[in-house]
Amino acid sequence: RKEVEQDPGPFNVPEGATVAFNCTYSNSASQSFFWYRQDCRKEPKLLMSVYSSGNEDGRFTAQLNRASQYISLLIRDSKLSDSATYLCVVTSSPLDSNYQLIWGAGTKLIIKP
Amino acid sequence: NAGVMQNPRHLVRRRGQEARLRCSPMKGHSHVYWYRQLPEEGLKFMVYLQKENIIDESGMPKERFSAEFPKEGPSILRIQQVVRGDSAAYFCASSPLPTSNTPEQFFGPGTRLTVL
Repeated sequence: RKEVEQDPGPFNVPEGATVAFNCTYSNSASQSFFWYRQDCRKEPKLLMSVYSSGNEDGRFTAQLNRASQYISLLIRDSKLSDSATYLCVVTSSPLDSNYQLIWGAGTKLIIKP
Repeated sequence: NAGVMQNPRHLVRRRGQEARLRCSPMKGHSHVYWYRQLPEEGLKFMVYLQKENIIDESGMPKERFSAEFPKEGPSILRIQQVVRGDSAAYFCASSPLPTSNTPEQFFGPGTRLTVL
């Protein structure tokens, strides 16, 4: 089982719709979680951190479910500019000697007019 | 405040040649990370460096790859005797603190290496 798993998609969604996707992680000791966005052939950019209580930033809502070991990203009123690959990032256990970020392969989202 | 800078943006090499990729972290950042991204895949951690020190190279291939972050100048990722399988996008990221204190990393635009 991969440490961080995402549905690769693509998710084809009409403009204005709501879309959600999940990311599962295998290490129950992981403490920090993030969603990054990566546009085609560009560098990843931090979209939002994911807090235990869930957090919202405009049209974007991120949630963490520790019991089931997944995080989710919800995008409301999707825009054409939301088309990108969304990368889930999880930190390894802080007890690991090599504490690092573990990256999912990404979920591709295509917003259609 | 300039972001993370990488050069060259595109690099073409023939099999057997050497590739040198450079990364200048954001001002005030002393922690540098290198990642490799193959087409249609996620980022794979390669190495984590601080000034003059390699902290974690668990993701580096055992042969042909090396990295450094000297006291002065950019971080360098060096690939000797490149093979076609080395063709990928190589991203550098920096942070002001170690991963354990602030996991957020800031990425450069990447170097796209093509091996002919």
